[in-house]
Amino acid sequence: EIVLTQSPGTLSLSPGERATVSCRASQSVTSNYVAWYQQKPGQAPRLLFYDASSRATGIPDRFSGSGSGTDFTLTISRLEPEDFAVYYCHQYGSSPLTFGGGTKVEIK
Amino acid sequence: QVQLVQSGAEVKPPGSSVKVSCKASRDTFNTYGINWVRQAPGQGLEWMGGIIPVFRTINYAQRFQGRITVTTDDSTTTAYLELSSLRSEDTAVYYCAKDRHPYYHPSGSYTAFDVWGQGTMVTVSS
Repeated sequence: EIVLTQSPGTLSLSPGERATVSCRASQSVTSNYVAWYQQKPGQAPRLLFYDASSRATGIPDRFSGSGSGTDFTLTISRLEPEDFAVYYCHQYGSSPLTFGGGTKVEIK
Repeated sequence: QVQLVQSGAEVKPPGSSVKVSCKASRDTFNTYGINWVRQAPGQGLEWMGGIIPVFRTINYAQRFQGRITVTTDDSTTTAYLELSSLRSEDTAVYYCAKDRHPYYHPSGSYTAFDVWGQGTMVTVSS
């Protein structure tokens, strides 16, 4: 089973600042099959990126995804008020599919 | 707009079973896999298993083997998750989620999940 470790656990930032979330896999992820989701309280997760860097429909370009092998990154170039949420990485390169523990981006 | 609509909240005693439903459109049901993901209170996401309804091909996470059953009803285009021998640690929100690409995608691989149900709260308590 591939274990995904996200860091940091919590990111305290102000609107307009840059957010960088890391996701490290315990072994190389097949074909870089990594997705990123955003989740707000009381809501289902929302897909942001798939295949490490392909933006999902309707996701603003201030969000970007990158990485390969075992190291993946989600970047938000300038935080908007609606971006404060929890972010999860997810690997679907091999079964069982697994998720990272989440990174909370909170308002400083 | 593609939607997945789940059944309502459940309260179950320890040792019992729960069955959660997820209704999809006919197009979604015939073309995409449906997965089940759960989230314990204040915790992260955990994939439980998935099914390709048109073939009834199923894949379960090993840690749930023996307790999980995923089925579909073609007449109502509904997927079901049944979890048995419930314990307090099974208290969670259960989500169904649709595969991003159709089952016939040339990659033949698993996919990200692009549409999620609204979630079903299952509470295990005596």
